[in-house]
Amino acid sequence: DVKVTQSSRYLVKRTGEKVFLECVQDMDHENMFWYRQDPGLGLRLIYFSYDVKMKEKGDIPEGYSVSREKKERFSLILESASTNQTSMYLCASSPWTSGSKSYEQYFGPGTRLTVT
Amino acid sequence: GENVEQHPSTLSVQEGDSAVIKCTYSDSASNYFPWYKQELGKGPQLIIDIRSNVGEKKDQRIAVTLNKTAKHFSLHITETQPEDSAVYFCAASTGSARQLTFGSGTQLTVLP
Repeated sequence: DVKVTQSSRYLVKRTGEKVFLECVQDMDHENMFWYRQDPGLGLRLIYFSYDVKMKEKGDIPEGYSVSREKKERFSLILESASTNQTSMYLCASSPWTSGSKSYEQYFGPGTRLTVT
Repeated sequence: GENVEQHPSTLSVQEGDSAVIKCTYSDSASNYFPWYKQELGKGPQLIIDIRSNVGEKKDQRIAVTLNKTAKHFSLHITETQPEDSAVYFCAASTGSARQLTFGSGTQLTVLP
């Protein structure tokens, strides 16, 4: 079974703090993703990475950065947390490559972040 | 970029009835359309997907249909059961882009 784990289920931070959300996958997947989930807005892509040290902006990258130093780990960084970043954050991984038949993304359980 | 619209946002059905969720997409280059189910407290999980060279796909009680001309696709769940209660997301991708664009989600409630 593919397993995607996220470092925290719940996190409470203060405005202006630097926040790290960690994600680890155990299936040697090339691709990893960070989404935020808000009611009525679905899942919106923040950043994704298709290789170690590679990253690409998604639809809503402002206020976020990412780091992928090892293939299995993808970190989301909020440089200076703001109240509008209060949300559910979901990490996912995917084995997709140009020759792959599988586009499936495997999700972690999510981190509910509250910024006060 | 791609835009995916999903309707309805909430859906309640009696156990045993059918449920239909509809999505439209904007990018005619999209060629892969998955559906994810998110149970309470969990991340979304793929339940069925369809590629643009197929018009319909079934897996037991669930089916997906695709109309490329109209750029819409639908999820059909027959003989609904209480365990079908969850949030369902549609998505679209051009395949070569690796990433998915998700709809806004549908909260399905199956009433016993």
